[in-house]
Amino acid sequence: GIQVEQSPPDLILQEGANSTLRCNFSDSVNNLQWFHQNPWGQLINLFYIPSGTKQNGRLSATTVATERYSLLYISSSQTTDSGVYFCAVRGAGSYQLTFGKGTKLSVIP
Amino acid sequence: SQTIHQWPATLVQPVGSPLSLECTVEGTSNPNLYWYRQAAGRGLQLLFYSVGIGQISSEVPQNLSASRPQDRQFILSSKKLLLSDSGFYLCAWRLGGHNSPLHFGNGTRLTVT
Repeated sequence: GIQVEQSPPDLILQEGANSTLRCNFSDSVNNLQWFHQNPWGQLINLFYIPSGTKQNGRLSATTVATERYSLLYISSSQTTDSGVYFCAVRGAGSYQLTFGKGTKLSVIP
Repeated sequence: SQTIHQWPATLVQPVGSPLSLECTVEGTSNPNLYWYRQAAGRGLQLLFYSVGIGQISSEVPQNLSASRPQDRQFILSSKKLLLSDSGFYLCAWRLGGHNSPLHFGNGTRLTVT
């Protein structure tokens, strides 16, 4: 099946700093999503982005499908950004999303 | 707008007891429904998915089963829980068809003692 690798696995930021999270995948995809799992376990859908660039406030994402990677940018980080960020992809002909292992982000004041 | 409800939020059950977790979706029809489990650590594992009433696909052989008695209802069950069934269980839905985002419920944290 399709493989998803996220980097870095852990990241500690000072409040106000910027960061880039990366997601590499092993095959062509029809669907790519970024999720944020907060400390209470809720998985929040950040972006549905199989290709192109999207922005939502301080967050933006870019997927370059031909090169099989996606980037999540967090600018001016806040303590509420802490949690685990997951990338998930769905390959052609598949019903399921395959998740990466996540990037655990800790934003310290 | 669509919403997904999952309950209970937390559950502590003894080994050997039965399990029933329920998930319902509102505001849409004929969704694809999913059960995921997140064990200690971070990975999410797909357990079951359903594309319609009575249609269940299992991704991982295990002690659990799933049923979809109604269009927007998805149930995860076990006849006898094992210690290894402990974890965080998440229900999710998306519109049928390939290119639509997945949306998660708030999850159930199950502890088997």
